[in-house]
Amino acid sequence: GQNIDQPTEMTATEGAIVQINCTYQTSGFNGLFWYQQHAGEAPTFLSYNVLDGLEEKGRFSSFLSRSKGYSYLLLKELQMKDSASYLCAVGGADNRKLIWGLGTSLAVNP
Amino acid sequence: GAVVSQHPSWVICKSGTSVKIECRSLDFQATTMFWYRQFPKQSLMLMATSNEGSKATYEQGVEKDKFLINHASLTLSTLTVTSAHPEDSSFYICSASDRSPASVFHEQYFGPGTRLTVT
Repeated sequence: GQNIDQPTEMTATEGAIVQINCTYQTSGFNGLFWYQQHAGEAPTFLSYNVLDGLEEKGRFSSFLSRSKGYSYLLLKELQMKDSASYLCAVGGADNRKLIWGLGTSLAVNP
Repeated sequence: GAVVSQHPSWVICKSGTSVKIECRSLDFQATTMFWYRQFPKQSLMLMATSNEGSKATYEQGVEKDKFLINHASLTLSTLTVTSAHPEDSSFYICSASDRSPASVFHEQYFGPGTRLTVT
């Protein structure tokens, strides 16, 4: 089958760095997305990786290793507003839809 | 740019009634729109993909006669939940893409979601 695994919950301190991991097993691979979703709101796009390596965008970076079926989202200089759910989604062989992880709920404490 | 709106943002209806949810792309032409459903603490589940002017493609297990999708223009798609039941209570989210033919691998722009509660 196809599945995506992410930790359910994480806690971090304001100003710190946190890494959210995502492992996937899919038939085919057409890229990996990270989305941020605040409670009661729709997801917002953070990053898209299709090649191996690190993509940096401001305080957020995303890494992909296709051979390991692994990605991580790195959040630096954490702010309270970063408290949200972070969703990992993978494009598999069926290019009509993404396979979504359950999300990692991140709580940033002062 | 790339703003998608949904209306209403929340709705409460009685069991057996129908509810229409609108999804609009405000500043771009959405050749493809996607409808998702999300239950509490669960993943986004793609319900259907709609292309302007053609019939929607429904995911396996989604009843097309219960969830009617119309994509009549390049800026508007509607989802009608017919004969709603309490188990249809969920967070419904649309997203839009300006790519054609759309693939989910192109960036999607999400609407703010509609919370439906069926009593």
